[in-house]
This record gives sequence, C-alpha cells and structure tokens, in this order.
Amino acid sequence: KNQVEQSPQSLIILEGKNCTLQCNYTVSPFSNLRWYKQDTGRGPVSLTIMTFSENTKSNGRYTATLDADTKQSSLHITASQLSDSASYICVVRTNSGYSTLTFGKGTMLLVSP
Amino acid sequence: NAGVTQTPKFQVLKTGQSMTLQCAQDMNHNSMYWYRQDPGMGLRLIYYSASEGTTDKGEVPNGYNVSRLNKREFSLRLESAAPSQTSVYFCASNQGNTEAFFGQGTRLTVV
Repeated sequence: KNQVEQSPQSLIILEGKNCTLQCNYTVSPFSNLRWYKQDTGRGPVSLTIMTFSENTKSNGRYTATLDADTKQSSLHITASQLSDSASYICVVRTNSGYSTLTFGKGTMLLVSP
Repeated sequence: NAGVTQTPKFQVLKTGQSMTLQCAQDMNHNSMYWYRQDPGMGLRLIYYSASEGTTDKGEVPNGYNVSRLNKREFSLRLESAAPSQTSVYFCASNQGNTEAFFGQGTRLTVV
C-alpha cells in the first residue's frame, strides 16, 4: 500500500531559527514529490516539486532534498518567520492513473516570537 | 485570477439532509478532485474527474456523488448527511503532471 509518513507531527521553534521536516514514502512507482504549505483555514499551496533525478531544490528560504534510493525527502526552512507557521504536507505522485497523489498527514509548525 | 473557487465556505446540516458543494476552476484544467481532510489524517480522495464527462471513485466515496457539469465545474453531493461526514472538504484541479491547485475549503458540520 502506498504510504507517506511525516515527522515530526508538530514542532515549535523560535523566530529566526532553522528547522528540518522529514518525509518517508513507500509510493511506487514514483513520479514526483511535492511539499505543500497549508495555512490554517486555507487550502494547500505548492512550495516545491522534486522529480526522481533531483537531489536538492530551493525556493527562497525553503530547501527540499530527495533521496530516491532511501525514499526520503526533507524540507529545510531557514531563518524562520512568524508567517511560516502552518502545516507542511508531503505529497507523492505515482505515474500510473489519475488518482495518483498520496498525502502525508503533515507537520504542524509553530514559529514563536 | 480566481483559481479554484468553492462554495459555500461553511455549512451546518442536520443528519439526513442533503446538500451540494460547488467547485469551479478557471485554469482550463482537465482533472478535478474532491478531498476531505480530518484531524490527524492526510487529505483523502473522495472522487475525481480526469476529464469532462468522466468521474471515478477515490479512496472514500461512500455517501457521496459527483457531477462534472462541464470542464470548469465539479460538484459534490451528500444525499443523506451523516455525522461521520463532518469534515473540511477541498476541491482541487490540475493538468497532466502539474501541481494541484486547491480551493479554500468548505467546513461542513453534520449534527
């Protein structure tokens, strides 16, 4: 069964600090992996996409990594801001069929002043 | 530049009542999806539509029906609401392998 596991479940950090969120998946066959940010009361918004051949990709203060061999991804947030407080969801896509997205349960990040 | 628009944003139903959640996208996407999001769980696919005129069941379709009215609109219907359907519902759309764009969500409470 395709699964996406995220850790930690929740995290509190001080403003200005860095943090790393983890995502392990067993989805097969693998097409791509996205990290989404979901603010409270809003729909998820894509931060970055990782394909099989990519190891690292940055989007501003967000840097995602992918190890396709170990089926692990991480999202590193640098110099956190209060607006980074949100749920971060790892989503893995297979390349077979249309109902192909497997969602993690998310990591709830709270950035404290 | 609306993207994906869902209505209503909030709804309270009594057990056994029916209602339709509306979703429209203006990005000319072929694929549209309905998900539900419950505390402590990831988004779960209820139904999806790969293209206009087609719909397929997702992971949790029981108690729901959908209609792909045209390329823009994809509605979700609860014929006889149950407390277990209390959830936040998200509509999404995408094209091919591109990212899915989500609506703002509908918070539904069934009492």
